[in-house]
Amino acid sequence: GIQVEQSPPDLILQEGANSTLRCNFSDSVNNLQWFHQNPWGQLINLFYIPSGTKQNGRLSATTVATERYSLLYISSSQTTDSGVYFCAVEGEGGANSKLTFGKGITLSVRP
Amino acid sequence: GAGVSQSPSNKVTEKGKDVELRCDPISGHTALYWYRQRLGQGLEFLIYFQGNSAPDKSGLPSDRFSAERTGESVSTLTIQRTQQEDSAVYLCASSPWGVGTYEQYFGPGTRLTVT
Repeated sequence: GIQVEQSPPDLILQEGANSTLRCNFSDSVNNLQWFHQNPWGQLINLFYIPSGTKQNGRLSATTVATERYSLLYISSSQTTDSGVYFCAVEGEGGANSKLTFGKGITLSVRP
Repeated sequence: GAGVSQSPSNKVTEKGKDVELRCDPISGHTALYWYRQRLGQGLEFLIYFQGNSAPDKSGLPSDRFSAERTGESVSTLTIQRTQQEDSAVYLCASSPWGVGTYEQYFGPGTRLTVT
């Protein structure tokens, strides 16, 4: 099946700093989503982005499908950005069914 | 509007007992998914329902696990003869279908602890 690798595994930032989180995948995709899992375990949808670029406030994401990677940018980080960021994909040829998740990137933003 | 809801939020059970977990998807979402998240790990797919099609059960780890869905609404995940390795958070998601997006939305999960 499709493989998803996220990097770096851990990231520590000072409040106000910018960061880039990376997701590499091993095959063409139908679906790619970025999630933020907050300290209470809730998965919050950030972006649905199988290709192209989107922005939402301080966050933006780019997926380059032909090169099999996606990037999540966080600007002017805040302590509330802390948590785990997951990239999840569904391989092309799938029936828009299961997502395969990466292991996540743990972000800690210090005041 | 209301999001995906799950119940119970926490469940502690003794090894060998059966448990039933419930998921209410977003109204109008025809696709429903169950995932499992072990401590410190990513999510693992368990099962997927879409409309009247046969469910995709390819992620169920053993025959102790089963799931049902009533039409396009509530789903229940049943684990029989629970084992300690079943301890995890069980998450349900739903998505629309055939309208240009298949974005999945997750519920808050049920934390299952098997003692």
